[in-house]
Amino acid sequence: AQKITQTQPGMFVQEKEAVTLDCTYDTSDQSYGLFWYKQPSSGEMIFLIYQGSYDEQNATEGRYSLNFQKARKSANLVISASQLGDSAMYFCAMRENFGNEKLTFGTGTRLTIIP
Amino acid sequence: DAGVIQSPRHEVTEMGQEVTLRCKPISGHDYLFWYRQTMMRGLELLIYFNNNVPIDDSGMPEDRFSAKMPNASFSTLKIQPSEPRDSAVYFCASRLRDRGITDTQYFGPGTRLTVL
Repeated sequence: AQKITQTQPGMFVQEKEAVTLDCTYDTSDQSYGLFWYKQPSSGEMIFLIYQGSYDEQNATEGRYSLNFQKARKSANLVISASQLGDSAMYFCAMRENFGNEKLTFGTGTRLTIIP
Repeated sequence: DAGVIQSPRHEVTEMGQEVTLRCKPISGHDYLFWYRQTMMRGLELLIYFNNNVPIDDSGMPEDRFSAKMPNASFSTLKIQPSEPRDSAVYFCASRLRDRGITDTQYFGPGTRLTVL
């Protein structure tokens, strides 16, 4: 079974609109961390936001927020007021059991912002 | 602060040649990771080090791949001999073990390897 599932291979969104990128995860651990990374066409992986499994509040970082629904095992990334520079691949990742350093990545969602 | 530094950024080589990829982690970080990204397999963890010691190399595809970390500021990933199926983007990432946001792995710009 996939540990991280990103069901949207591609999305097109109008500039200035909000966008939600879906991510569901599968783990039996109680302690885990969820991450979102952005990969623009230039290729680098840019860390965006982190949510720990014990965090009671949804993480926010500027225009990025993480809609964390633990019971549903989802960790959707919300980008408010999208900009042309948000066009990129977005990867959801999980680290299970904080003693384990391995990050497991999803297949990614390619977001295209339309002017 | 400088981020993770990787060199070269692009490498084109012929099948059978030895390839060495280099990484300088963020100063003070005690974990270093090597990943490979391909269209078919996505992002895969190859190996990671803690305090210069290899901890998990279960992702290394085969004996042609080797990684070393002789000191806290330098690591290499070597492929010998290289094959066309090794063509990929290789990322290095580093991390500082902590309980907060600094548990995040920070990635270098990647090395795009093409084996002809």
